[in-house]
Amino acid sequence: QVYLEESGGGVVQPGKSLRLSCAASGFLFSSTVMHWVRQAPGKGLEWVATISFDGSDLYYADSVQGRFTVSRDTSKSTVYLQMNSLRGEDTATYFCTKDRANTDWGQGTRVAVSS
Amino acid sequence: DIQMTQSPPSLSASVGDRVTISCRASQGINNYVAWFQQKVGKAPQSLIYAASSLQSGVPSRFSGSGSGTNFTLTINSLQPEDFATYYCQQYKYYPRTFGGGTKVDI
Repeated sequence: QVYLEESGGGVVQPGKSLRLSCAASGFLFSSTVMHWVRQAPGKGLEWVATISFDGSDLYYADSVQGRFTVSRDTSKSTVYLQMNSLRGEDTATYFCTKDRANTDWGQGTRVAVSS
Repeated sequence: DIQMTQSPPSLSASVGDRVTISCRASQGINNYVAWFQQKVGKAPQSLIYAASSLQSGVPSRFSGSGSGTNFTLTINSLQPEDFATYYCQQYKYYPRTFGGGTKVDI
């Protein structure tokens, strides 16, 4: 059974950093593209970042380009989202998903950027 | 960027109704469309991928169709548990883009 578990969310001041983690199990992690998708309170879904199966290709939304970095550790079956220079508009629930078509989702982790 | 225009933004329906939700892409994306269901306070769940392929475990009353720029999600014989918000997404190009969502009230 596929399982994705996000962690690392919390309340952080503007300009600070946070690192999210997504622990994966139940599928061949080393062969699977992974994504981060976020949802601001009361809003729709927004794609944030993608990392290819081997970490060689990275893609980012314009809204986070230059501030967020996606990475993965195959030995730990974990994907990360390093978020720097956080802004109020980054406040959201962050989900990790798998496969090109986002076939499975984690339960999400909440990030609140507030002074 | 590919714009995914989803309609209607909301709809009211009754149990047993047939519901149709549309998604239009701003340019051709072949069949690289997925549909998701999200219930309040929960993570989205995959319903359809490749425009018309039913995700494992999803009831057969859900179906998807379309190719190119016009896509449709159909729910036949709406059930009470189908009260949710539905999203389309294109995954042919980066940036990946979602439709604005359709809230279905029973």
